[in-house]
Amino acid sequence: QKEVEQNSGPLSVPEGAIASLNCTYSDRVSQSFFWYRQYSGKSPELIMSIYSNGDKEDGRFTAQLNKASQYVSLLIRDSQPSDSATYLCAVNLNILTGGGNKLTFGTGTQLKVEL
Amino acid sequence: DTEVTQTPKHLVMGMTNKKSLKCEQHMGHRAMYWYKQKAKKPPELMFVYSYEKLSINESVPSRFSPECPNSSLLNLHLHALQPEDSALYLCASSQDEGTPTYEQYFGPGTRLTVT
Repeated sequence: QKEVEQNSGPLSVPEGAIASLNCTYSDRVSQSFFWYRQYSGKSPELIMSIYSNGDKEDGRFTAQLNKASQYVSLLIRDSQPSDSATYLCAVNLNILTGGGNKLTFGTGTQLKVEL
Repeated sequence: DTEVTQTPKHLVMGMTNKKSLKCEQHMGHRAMYWYKQKAKKPPELMFVYSYEKLSINESVPSRFSPECPNSSLLNLHLHALQPEDSALYLCASSQDEGTPTYEQYFGPGTRLTVT
């Protein structure tokens, strides 16, 4: 079983709709969770981080975390063509205070927002 | 200022060359990272530095040699690379204490081609 799993997509949604991206992880001691957006040929851009159960909202983005189900999701409201990108879920499996932190990435979900 | 810079943007090198990739951050972060990313794959951790000391080496071949001259700078020295080492090399930085999430911020990357 992979440590962090995402559906590779592509996930196609019409402009203005809600895009829902999902991620599951296998390690119950995982502490914090991240969503990165990556455009083709560019580097990953951090868009959301979450570490407590529940929802965290930032503009059109909402991250949802359910540690009991080992599940983290990202909702994008009012999707725009500029949201078309690959979304990487990342999980911090080892928090080493004073030793840096190891992120494990899912394989990413490609989102296409259609006009 | 959440910016990590990397130079050069692109690098083409032969298998007998020696070259270096450079990374700089001015966010006061004390952890810095090197990742390698192949096309359509997630970033793969190579090295982690914390407080200028190497804390994680993910069994990277010795033809890759990291260096952290000070808390703002990170180098990756390359020697005798193979064509399969061609990839996008990403630098990232994060806080190393005082936050529950330890967000990592990526630089724009260096696109490396080994001929």
